[in-house]
Amino acid sequence: AQSVTQLDSQVPVFEEAPVELRCNYSSSVSVYLFWYVQYPNQGLQLLLKYLSGSTLVKGINGFEAEFNKSQTSFHLRKPSVHISDTAEYFCAVSEGGGFKTIFGAGTRLFVKA
Amino acid sequence: EAGVAQSPRYKIIEKRQSVAFWCNPISGHATLYWYQQILGQGPKLLIQFQNNGVVDDSQLPKDRFSAERLKGVDSTLKIQPAKLEDSAVYLCASRGEALYNSPLHFGNGTRLTVT
Repeated sequence: AQSVTQLDSQVPVFEEAPVELRCNYSSSVSVYLFWYVQYPNQGLQLLLKYLSGSTLVKGINGFEAEFNKSQTSFHLRKPSVHISDTAEYFCAVSEGGGFKTIFGAGTRLFVKA
Repeated sequence: EAGVAQSPRYKIIEKRQSVAFWCNPISGHATLYWYQQILGQGPKLLIQFQNNGVVDDSQLPKDRFSAERLKGVDSTLKIQPAKLEDSAVYLCASRGEALYNSPLHFGNGTRLTVT
């Protein structure tokens, strides 16, 4: 069965500093990986996705993520964060053969001035 | 395109009362999901519809939760009777393509407080 682990529940960082939000997954079959962002009182919206091909994927708002099959990881990075990036970030996995998407517990990114 | 619509945005009820949430997915989206998001946790899948048929309801507490999507468009999720632990945000999502690698589109959710 698939599962998703987000290693940090909260990440405080100063504005313009780089950030990495960590995600590990487990699955016995091929997976498709996603990062979603949730701003306060809103639903989730897609940041980026890995389906196949290049292991480095770029998303909206300057975020990127790298798929590492050997380490079963899909960490999210941004070289310079803004106050407006303060939100909750969720890593998610969809497994081949079905349409189920499983989410991690989320990482709250707090950007300080 | 119009997004996923959910109502109400907020609901406060007492335990043992009943409540219903409504969701209208993006037009043409055949797959619809209901997720429960408890404070501090990631969304947990409750039920998944493909058109008007249930694909997965293994995580739905069927003694108190029910959901329907009669005409394959909008959907209703009901809780009867509610318990304190049902306090959460209920998110509806839809997917446009019948592919597991296409992203979900979420509504803004309904925040339920059970007192």
